[in-house]
Amino acid sequence: KAGVTQTPRYLIKTRGQQVTLSCSPISGHRSVSWYQQTPGQGLQFLFEYFSETQRNKGNFPGRFSGRQFSNSRSEMNVSTLELGDSALYLCASSLVGGAQETQYFGPGTRLLVL
Amino acid sequence: GESVGLHLPTLSVQEGDNSIINCAYSNSASDYFIWYKQESGKGPQFIIDIRSNMDKRQGQRVTVLLNKTVKHLSLQIAATQPGDSAVYFCADLDTGRRALTFGSGTRLQVQP
Repeated sequence: KAGVTQTPRYLIKTRGQQVTLSCSPISGHRSVSWYQQTPGQGLQFLFEYFSETQRNKGNFPGRFSGRQFSNSRSEMNVSTLELGDSALYLCASSLVGGAQETQYFGPGTRLLVL
Repeated sequence: GESVGLHLPTLSVQEGDNSIINCAYSNSASDYFIWYKQESGKGPQFIIDIRSNMDKRQGQRVTVLLNKTVKHLSLQIAATQPGDSAVYFCADLDTGRRALTFGSGTRLQVQP
């Protein structure tokens, strides 16, 4: 079974631009979560989607948004990019996002904002 | 908010030795814990998990111990190999938010 895939793997943008990242979960997984990883803040939860609905959101500004499609694929968007948005963005999937359910991570998209 | 933290940022061991990575958590309501391994340029890779109704769980060369009294979690790696060199994270699943809370990570360096 293929793992979680993320595209693109690397991205360079300038301040003020917007960016869209894509995530395809493991086949059969319907819950998709996004995390931001930086050296300073570590791994932080952004949001979680299930059945095309955002169920939970972390402590990030409204510039960070996402969506999920009927095939469970998910995208996240960051508008008006800031230098501090440079990070590794990780997507994780699980069956239904239930209690005590393991989340499996993709390789991440490394975003550099100049 | 609640947090999951690690005692040591870097652990250096000799190849063939056993490694122990520790983690403290603060949320007394935590009931599910996961250890992840992250190699350079890759996403976190699931190693082993444990539920709060257990105090020990074993996998292939890895053992996780949970002490709920002192809110402490540890990962033991037997016969550490060069391929085990990576950053190890413990994480706690907040089942209400369906969000993982990660510790800061421990870098394991295996010396040949």
